[in-house]
Amino acid sequence: EPEVTQTPSHQVTQMGQEVILRCVPISNHLYFYWYRQILGQKVEFLVSFYNNEISEKSEIFDDQFSVERPDGSNFTLKIRSTKLEDSAMYFCASSEGRQGAYEKLFFGSGTQLSVL
Amino acid sequence: QKEVEQDPGPLSVPEGAIVSLNCTYSNSAFQYFMWYRQYSRKGPELLMYTYSSGNKEDGRFTAQVDKSSKYISLFIRDSQPSDSATYLCAMSANYQLIWGAGTKLIIKP
Repeated sequence: EPEVTQTPSHQVTQMGQEVILRCVPISNHLYFYWYRQILGQKVEFLVSFYNNEISEKSEIFDDQFSVERPDGSNFTLKIRSTKLEDSAMYFCASSEGRQGAYEKLFFGSGTQLSVL
Repeated sequence: QKEVEQDPGPLSVPEGAIVSLNCTYSNSAFQYFMWYRQYSRKGPELLMYTYSSGNKEDGRFTAQVDKSSKYISLFIRDSQPSDSATYLCAMSANYQLIWGAGTKLIIKP
């Protein structure tokens, strides 16, 4: 079965550093997402991306965050200047159609980001 | 009041038992309701989805939605040790999913 792949599986960084989390969505999917999950807390929506632009974003997705689809296969999340509270598991997901109504989101296994 | 509430558990039951997992919500605009299963160190995986009120069955899994009570349930029949995971409810009114905190389920052999 096709799957969403994420790299790296773990990322450790110093506070204030920039990090880039990488994802390869399923090839025929059109919608891409980033979610995060702080340990023991809820899954939180960050951003959705369609047709090379952001379609929705949450309050969490502030100016420190950006997303990009640099080529036909990769989808990246950049955190410009990491804070301690950015430590979380970051999940990439993709779907054929827009999330919310009957659309099955396929999630990657996540990148565990630890900010020291 | 949180938008979606879900007991974090853990819920521990013996193999073969019927499991009932539940979420309550406050936003009456929610129309789409989903259950995801998340194994340790993995991303969530969609199990069931329903639209509005009613029941939906898929193998050993049954999802129920009661919009009048703002209450949704996932039942697992003949539970197996492989069902041990965290179960997350998610729901939406527009195109943003709102998630419960997840219930950790442990099926004891």
